[in-house]
Amino acid sequence: AQKITQTQPGMFVQEKEAVTLDCTYDTSDPSYGLFWYKQPSSGEMIFLIYQGSYDQQNATEGRYSLNFQKARKSANLVISASQLGDSAMYFCAMREGLGNTGNQFYFGTGTSLTVIP
Amino acid sequence: GAVVSQHPSRVICKSGTSVKIECRSLDFQATTMFWYRQFPKKSLMLMATSNEGSKATYEQGVEKDKFLINHASLTLSTLTVTSAHPEDSSFYICSAKQGPYNEQFFGPGTRLTVL
Repeated sequence: AQKITQTQPGMFVQEKEAVTLDCTYDTSDPSYGLFWYKQPSSGEMIFLIYQGSYDQQNATEGRYSLNFQKARKSANLVISASQLGDSAMYFCAMREGLGNTGNQFYFGTGTSLTVIP
Repeated sequence: GAVVSQHPSRVICKSGTSVKIECRSLDFQATTMFWYRQFPKKSLMLMATSNEGSKATYEQGVEKDKFLINHASLTLSTLTVTSAHPEDSSFYICSAKQGPYNEQFFGPGTRLTVL
């Protein structure tokens, strides 16, 4: 089974609008971390936001927030007030185990976001 | 955040030659680094986990004799693509764990083109 599933290969959003990028995950480990990365056309992977499995509140980082629904095993990324520079590939990832106990990251297939002026 | 560099950023080589890619952690020590391969518009595929002072751990299906990994110091891991062929053309990215969440910080990637 896929560890990370991103069902939206491509998304479009109007500038200044909010957009939600979907991510569901599959694990039997009670301890895990969820990550979102942005990959612009230059290729570099940029860390955006983190959610730990025991975190009670949804993570937020500036215009990024993570809608963490543990029972549904979903970790959707919400980008508010979209900007043209947000156009990129977005990858959801999971690490089983917390801290130094988990090593391998599992990546989703990514969502290509295009912000329309 | 932590900085990971990669060199070279682009390389074009002839079929049959070997290419070495360096991955450095610039402001922290990394006992473990990761090497990924990414095809156009695809996700990252973990190739191997590079461990300082010991042998790398390769993922299933990755030829360890073709993709040689050396992690000789706490700040440097190298990936050597031996006897490269056109099908080895890809984007190779390294990463290391750091930060409060042990998130992975990625290098800028190396685009390899084998003619």
